[in-house]
Amino acid sequence: AQTVTQSQPEMSVQEAETVTLSCTYDTSENNYYLFWYKQPPSRQMILVIRQEAYKQQNATENRFSVNFQKAAKSFSLKISDSQLGDTAMYFCAFMGYQGGSEKLVFGKGTKLTVNP
Amino acid sequence: NAGVTQTPKFQVLKTGQSMTLQCAQDMNHEYMSWYRQDPGMGLRLIHYSVGAGITDQGEVPNGYNVSRSTTEDFPLRLLSAAPSQTSVYFCASSWGISGGVETQYFGPGTRLLVL
Repeated sequence: AQTVTQSQPEMSVQEAETVTLSCTYDTSENNYYLFWYKQPPSRQMILVIRQEAYKQQNATENRFSVNFQKAAKSFSLKISDSQLGDTAMYFCAFMGYQGGSEKLVFGKGTKLTVNP
Repeated sequence: NAGVTQTPKFQVLKTGQSMTLQCAQDMNHEYMSWYRQDPGMGLRLIHYSVGAGITDQGEVPNGYNVSRSTTEDFPLRLLSAAPSQTSVYFCASSWGISGGVETQYFGPGTRLLVL
C-alpha cells in the first residue's frame, strides 16, 4: 500500500521569506500523481500544485514550486515570498491506480504559520 | 456552477442514531469519494464511486454505507453513529481516469459530533 510521510508537523516562517515543506512517499507504481493541498482555518481543501510522475520538469504555480525527486520518492513544496494568507495546514497527497481506480492517499499534514 | 456541495455543515448526533451526509456535484464528474479528517491523521478514504451504480470501499469503510444512483449525488450513511465517528467529512469529485484529469475537487466539509 502507498504511504505518504510529512516529517514536519509544524513550521513557521517570516513574511516575505521562503519556506520548504517536505514530503516522501512509498510506492511500487511507475505512473502516478502527486499533489499539495492547502487547508486554511475555513477547512476548505484547496489544490496548490500537482505533479505528474512521468514529467521530469518540476511544476510551478506562481510563488509555489515543487522539487520532485522520483528516484528518492521525494516531493517537497517551496513557497517563495511567503504571505500571511499562506498560513494553513498543507497536505501532501499521492494518487496511484491500484486495481484500476484512482485513490488519493494523504500525509498527516504540516501546519505552516507565516509571521508578520 | 456550484462545484461540490455538502449538507449539513454541522451536525450533532446521539450514539445509535442514523443520518445521511449529502454530497452533490454539478460538474458531471464520474469519480466521487468520501474522506474523514481526524486530528493528526490527515484525510482517510471511506468509500468511493467510479460512476453511477458503482461503489467500493476505501481505507476506513466500517460503519458507513454509500450508494450512487445518479452521477450528481453520492450520499454517505451512518447506520448507527458511534463517538469514534466524530470527525470532519469531506466529499470530493473528479473526472476520473477516463477524463484524463486526476485533480479532485473538494466540498466545504461536514463537521459531525457524536455524543
